[in-house]
Amino acid sequence: QKEVEQNSGPLSVPEGAIASLNCTYSDRGSQSFFWYRQYSGKSPELIMSIYSNGDKEDGRFTAQLNKASQYVSLLIRDSQPSDSATYLCAVGLNRDDKIIFGKGTRLHILP
Amino acid sequence: DVKVTQSSRYLVKRTGEKVFLECVQDMDHENMFWYRQDPGLGLRLIYFSYDVKMKEKGDIPEGYSVSREKKERFSLILESASTNQTSMYLCASSTRTYGYTFGSGTRLTVV
Repeated sequence: QKEVEQNSGPLSVPEGAIASLNCTYSDRGSQSFFWYRQYSGKSPELIMSIYSNGDKEDGRFTAQLNKASQYVSLLIRDSQPSDSATYLCAVGLNRDDKIIFGKGTRLHILP
Repeated sequence: DVKVTQSSRYLVKRTGEKVFLECVQDMDHENMFWYRQDPGLGLRLIYFSYDVKMKEKGDIPEGYSVSREKKERFSLILESASTNQTSMYLCASSTRTYGYTFGSGTRLTVV
């Protein structure tokens, strides 16, 4: 059973600090990795994608991928109250186009 | 600029009714998916389709069927609605490797 694991949280981070969200996956052949943000009552929104080892930065967001350790992370710098949401890690399987989602980490930014 | 449209935001149906959930995408994506999302269970894949008239079962297809007669439209059918199908239903479409774009979701209540 291919799995994507995330700590459910809630993760509480002071406003202005760095929020660090982590994810591990079981399928070593996975090739594509995504982070989605989901506000309460809303649908998931893609915020970052990463395909190769290392870091990828987009504004205040940095995605980090380590395929050897089967580990993906999302860093949010200068956290804002509007970043409070559930963050879903998703992993694209090797052989087809399905994405496996983790159950998400609830992030709460403390004003 | 809405890209994936789900026909209803909220829906209330009676037990035993046949229910149709419609999803339309305007991005010319080959792949379309139906998920349900429940607290604590995350996103669970019901059915997906890689092409017109093609469909494959996801992780929880029981009690559901789908139809894809045109590339842009993917319909989810609850043959005989039951209370345990009360959930948030999310449609998504994708191209290979990019990740999913979700519709706004349909919150279905079966009474």
